[in-house]
Amino acid sequence: DTEVTQTPKHLVMGMTNKKSLKCEQHMGHRAMYWYKQKAKKPPELMFVYSYEKLSINESVPSRFSPECPNSSLLNLHLHALQPEDSALYLCASSHGTQYYEQYFGPGTRLTVT
Amino acid sequence: DQQVKQNSPSLSVQEGRISILNCDYTNSMFDYFLWYKKYPAEGPTFLISISSIKDKNEDGRFTVFLNKSAKHLSLHIVPSQPGDSAVYFCAASPMDSNYQLIWGAGTKLIIKP
Repeated sequence: DTEVTQTPKHLVMGMTNKKSLKCEQHMGHRAMYWYKQKAKKPPELMFVYSYEKLSINESVPSRFSPECPNSSLLNLHLHALQPEDSALYLCASSHGTQYYEQYFGPGTRLTVT
Repeated sequence: DQQVKQNSPSLSVQEGRISILNCDYTNSMFDYFLWYKKYPAEGPTFLISISSIKDKNEDGRFTVFLNKSAKHLSLHIVPSQPGDSAVYFCAASPMDSNYQLIWGAGTKLIIKP
C-alpha cells in the first residue's frame, strides 16, 4: 500500500466555522507533513511530525492546529480562517531517513467564504 | 531569495521526442535533488532523485543529470508520452535541515500528439 489518503476532497467553510482535515497512511512512514499549495505555486511546508512529535512549525498562524494521534494519522484543525487561506492542503509522508522521497495525498481543496 | 529556480514556466514537446526540463540552484549545501510530477487536482508524485555526489541517475524513461560546477540539473524524459503532460517541480534538500525541501516554481510540460 503506497497510498496517502485525505478527507474530505473538497471543503467550503465560513470564517467562523471549525473543521478538520484528515490524512492517513499505512506505509509505516514515521514522518508526516502538511503543505499548503496555491495555484501555479510549489507546495509550502506548514508542519512536520516526526515519530508522532511536532518537529517543524513553519510559523503558521494559530488558526491552523495540527494533531498526530498515532503513526498512521494526521489531522489539521481549522478555526476562524480567512479567505486568503483558501488553497489545496496536501498531506505527505516519508521514511524517517529518506525524507526527501515524500508520498503525497490527493489534497483537500479548501474554500473559505 | 530563490535558491532553486526553474526558469521555463512551460515546455511543449512532440510525442516520442526527448523532453528536457532544467533547474538551477544557488546554494552548494544541498545533499539531494529531486523531481516531482504533478497533475491538476492531485498531489505531487515523486519521480526520481540524485545524490549531490553523483552526476547521473536513471530510472526507465527518466534520467536526471547533475552538473555541480554549473549548479544545474536536468530531467530527461525519453521517449515523451502523452501521460507525461504535467507540471514538474525540481526540489532540493538542504544538508542542515531535516525534512524540508526547497522547491522550484515548476515547469508545465505539454506533450503534443
